[in-house]
Amino acid sequence: ETGVTQTPRHLVMGMTNKKSLKCEQHLGHNAMYWYKQSAKKPLELMFVYSLEERVENNSVPSRFSPECPNSSHLFLHLHTLQPEDSALYLCASSQARAYGGGARNEQFFGPGTRLTVL
Amino acid sequence: QKEVEQNSGPLSVPEGAIASLNCTYSDRGSQSFFWYRQYSGKSPELIMSIYSNGDKEDGRFTAQLNKASQYVSLLIRDSQPSDSATYLCAVPISGGYNKLIFGAGTRLAVHP
Repeated sequence: ETGVTQTPRHLVMGMTNKKSLKCEQHLGHNAMYWYKQSAKKPLELMFVYSLEERVENNSVPSRFSPECPNSSHLFLHLHTLQPEDSALYLCASSQARAYGGGARNEQFFGPGTRLTVL
Repeated sequence: QKEVEQNSGPLSVPEGAIASLNCTYSDRGSQSFFWYRQYSGKSPELIMSIYSNGDKEDGRFTAQLNKASQYVSLLIRDSQPSDSATYLCAVPISGGYNKLIFGAGTRLAVHP
């Protein structure tokens, strides 16, 4: 256990459904991330929240909507998804530093949500 | 475009051998480097961090960093079948906002 939990672990949804993924971290970190991992592709960073403010949106379609109500919780709201959105969605957290540089920016991942869009 | 490159493999080694995994990166300003292990169907697990040139050892794992040549490697001694996984190299973007760039990963297969 890394101290980062995600629910649900598996999700099957139709293209017209609305669902939400939840992530919670118990590490006292102040930055949280959503990644997408598709088969045979590198991890793709979707969103970064630092101190509850969204600081990164990597050209993600608007059918994905993140929410970070506090430093311990992160949501990804899904609506009208496409079959190509089927993937493993991973949440991570870290103790962020003000100007990146990434010094010691160790990120810890949750177990992921396996999403299938029919 | 800042990049992290890894051979996709598979890298096949016999049990008990040394597995050597390599990673090159393009951002000369990077200060820290991470290796993650990912079993099939699971999430990435951080196994090594290295911040200074040279070697860092942790059990059977040794990370090697050469900033001048912009490469970082991971050696696994006495490889076991349980080490069979995909190994991801990750490098922060300097000046970025705590972002990691991941390589595509090298798949390691340790056969008995």
